[in-house]
Amino acid sequence: DAGVIQSPRHEVTEMGQEVTLRCKPISGHDYLFWYRQTMMRGLELLIYFNNNVPIDDSGMPEDRFSAKMPNASFSTLKIQPSEPRDSAVYFCASSSPQGAPYGEQFFGPGTRLTVL
Amino acid sequence: AQSVTQLDSQVPVFEEAPVELRCNYSSSVSVYLFWYVQYPNQGLQLLLKYLSGSTLVKGINGFEAEFNKSQTSFHLRKPSVHISDTAEYFCAVSVIGGSNYKLTFGKGTLLTVNP
Repeated sequence: DAGVIQSPRHEVTEMGQEVTLRCKPISGHDYLFWYRQTMMRGLELLIYFNNNVPIDDSGMPEDRFSAKMPNASFSTLKIQPSEPRDSAVYFCASSSPQGAPYGEQFFGPGTRLTVL
Repeated sequence: AQSVTQLDSQVPVFEEAPVELRCNYSSSVSVYLFWYVQYPNQGLQLLLKYLSGSTLVKGINGFEAEFNKSQTSFHLRKPSVHISDTAEYFCAVSVIGGSNYKLTFGKGTLLTVNP
């Protein structure tokens, strides 16, 4: 299996622009997690899905952030409008039905976002 | 709510020396415990986990961790480190038996192994 795939790997944009991050989970994994990693706050869970349905979005920082999972093999995290404080590495992770209850998550390589 | 404290943000050691990375957690309910490792420019990967049973758990690459319920700790150890162990290590917890499968991570410990 190719593992969790994220695109783009790097994104540089200007304040006020819309940013869309993409994730393809491992086939057969029906849990998908979005995380943000910064030096100041560490690794934070933003939202997670089960069977394409958002289960916990309590970590989404504000209305500028939105996430969707239109099908089992694709998810997006959108920031509109972007701000410099959104600069971070964004990770997507997926879990199987058997692994999710036991914390077994498989992470993608991340997208490094820089907002100027 | 759960919280995880990793007491050292950075740990430098020499190759072949032993190392211990410390982790303490706080939770009003029972939790599972994990260590994840992040090599430079990569995503996290699971190193080991404690679910139940023996409090000493072994993971990949020669790492082990010991769960201490009374001290609410889950320290990670390796008797002899290699240059290739240089990475950031994250301790994490999740609630046992809950319907929410989120992980709560500590802020990480950067292990640097020097020759």
